Amino acid sequence: AQRVTQPEKLLSVFKGAPVELKCNYSYSGSPELFWYVQYSRQRLQLLLRHISRESIKGFTADLNKGETSFHLKKPFAQEEDSAMYYCALSGLRADKLIFGTGTRLQVFP
Amino acid sequence: EPEVTQTPSHQVTQMGQEVILRCVPISNHLYFYWYRQILGQKVEFLVSFYNNEISEKSEIFDDQFSVERPDGSNFTLKIRSTKLEDSAMYFCASSLGTVYNSPLHFGNGTRLTVT
Repeated sequence: AQRVTQPEKLLSVFKGAPVELKCNYSYSGSPELFWYVQYSRQRLQLLLRHISRESIKGFTADLNKGETSFHLKKPFAQEEDSAMYYCALSGLRADKLIFGTGTRLQVFP
Repeated sequence: EPEVTQTPSHQVTQMGQEVILRCVPISNHLYFYWYRQILGQKVEFLVSFYNNEISEKSEIFDDQFSVERPDGSNFTLKIRSTKLEDSAMYFCASSLGTVYNSPLHFGNGTRLTVT
């Protein structure tokens, strides 16, 4: 079965603290993994994807095939990072994203 | 920066009525999608559309649902006979290439309330 699991509904940290948003997946083929973000009153948008191996707004995510995980990390959280974060996956020949349930990140000053 | 636009932002309809949700994708995009999010639940894929035909659809997208790109700019989702459980936020998205290769650009969504 194709599934994305985000175990935390809410993650609260103070500004400057490290952040790790967890994502585990189940997929039979070779998935591509993504993190999408939705800031308050804004639309859902792509934050980063595994294949790009880039850091966006200080966030990184490493695909661990052994643990089937794609956790999102940032060493020092900022207040503007407060948002809803969705992990998602797609297969090479699939034309759809499978989303997790999302984690709300709250960064307190 | 070009955006995906959706109208209306909120639609209220009675059970059994037909409803059409409208979307204007980004003009040079080739792939179009509908997703929905029932309150408190995850974003779920409904359908993808490319080259004037459905390329993939989910189990949710049954005979009550249809999509059209009638005039080369609009992309519509029709629900023929709405049910209470169709109440959700419906998101349209478009992309230049496939999901695997291109980011999806989402609209702000249409909140559908079925009473």
